[in-house]
Amino acid sequence: ETGVTQTPRHLVMGMTNKKSLKCEQHLGHNAMYWYKQSAKKPLELMFVYSLEERVENNSVPSRFSPECPNSSHLFLHLHTLQPEDSALYLCASSQQRGSIEQYFGPGTRLTVT
Amino acid sequence: GNSVTQMEGPVTLSEEAFLTINCTYTATGYPSLFWYVQYPGEGLQLLLKATKADDKGSNKGFEATYRKETTSFHLEKGSVQVSDSAVYFCALSEPSGSARQLTFGSGTQLTVLP
Repeated sequence: ETGVTQTPRHLVMGMTNKKSLKCEQHLGHNAMYWYKQSAKKPLELMFVYSLEERVENNSVPSRFSPECPNSSHLFLHLHTLQPEDSALYLCASSQQRGSIEQYFGPGTRLTVT
Repeated sequence: GNSVTQMEGPVTLSEEAFLTINCTYTATGYPSLFWYVQYPGEGLQLLLKATKADDKGSNKGFEATYRKETTSFHLEKGSVQVSDSAVYFCALSEPSGSARQLTFGSGTQLTVLP
């Protein structure tokens, strides 16, 4: 596998379910990001991890819980979501220093019923 | 704070037409500028970038020039193809704490008709 991978690609869950999104980067980067992409809205940065430490949390509801066990893996744990949380969730990675661009995964299309 | 404003879409062009998607930015320092492209059903891919004033980023026939005096980074292509149909995002990056963060525009949907 190369680049940034995300699983699952599609997820349908009820409001009382608990699920997790997984992101893995194979680029040797040390910063990882979660974004939310909703229809007709700009990408919203949710969380930033640098060297496995959370450095940004943009007022995201507590029903979203990130986890970064090592520099290659990032999870987003979901529980008691609302229908308005339906969106495309994108993971990205970058180097803290040197390369300045972020590399994105294909996203997980989440539908909350 | 930082912000990016890009022209609203959707934009519909015929094949081989000239493309311009406008992008202007507001930043406190000296950001790096990017264009990302999102094809249907996929994540974002970096299309091109420029890191300082007067730099020109180019890739796949697309170009954009970092204009500090007008705070702009307009995307251009001389002859579009059907395969260029996608959503295009302008973005800027400034160091923030210990990790760089991107600020995105709202995206412009481009449809190219054969």
